[in-house]
Amino acid sequence: AQRVTQPEKLLSVFKGAPVELKCNYSYSGSPELFWYVQYSRQRLQLLLRHISRESIKGFTADLNKGETSFHLKKPFAQEEDSAMYYCALIYNQGGKLIFGQGTELSVKP
Amino acid sequence: GAVVSQHPSWVICKSGTSVKIECRSLDFQATTMFWYRQFPKQSLMLMATSNEGSKATYEQGVEKDKFLINHASLTLSTLTVTSAHPEDSSFYICSARDYRGLYEQYFGPGTRLTVT
Repeated sequence: AQRVTQPEKLLSVFKGAPVELKCNYSYSGSPELFWYVQYSRQRLQLLLRHISRESIKGFTADLNKGETSFHLKKPFAQEEDSAMYYCALIYNQGGKLIFGQGTELSVKP
Repeated sequence: GAVVSQHPSWVICKSGTSVKIECRSLDFQATTMFWYRQFPKQSLMLMATSNEGSKATYEQGVEKDKFLINHASLTLSTLTVTSAHPEDSSFYICSARDYRGLYEQYFGPGTRLTVT
């Protein structure tokens, strides 16, 4: 069955420290993976998608099919990065998204 | 960028009544919209896929007679919670798929439903 797992509910780091939010997936086909972010009192918005292979707000994520992972990384965390982060997988052409449980990132000054 | 709105942003209703939530794509047409439910400090759970001009497709375990979905136009989908009960209290979020470009999904701000 398709599944997205984010093992950490809360990740707390200091400003300037590297951050890695973990995401593992289970999917039998060719996955299309995303990271969404939800800032306080704001709607969910797309942060990045693996097919674009881009860096948004300093964040990058690489799809590792061998480890079935799509970890989100940033070398130097900023306070404004504090938010809920959701890893998600599209599992059919209809566009259905399966979300992980979410990780709350707290960046302390 | 593409914008999705939801109305109302919050609603309180009495047990046994029905509540309608609207989801609109403001600057693009969306043949497909999705409805999610989110419990406090939990992830989004997909409830159903709303397709313009056809019946909605519900996820396993979601009562289609309880959560009526109508996608009457290319910019509007509605979710009606019928005979609401306190356990239906939740945060309901819709998204709309933009078929221009990379088929990205844009999310509404959500509707907080409280059933008393």
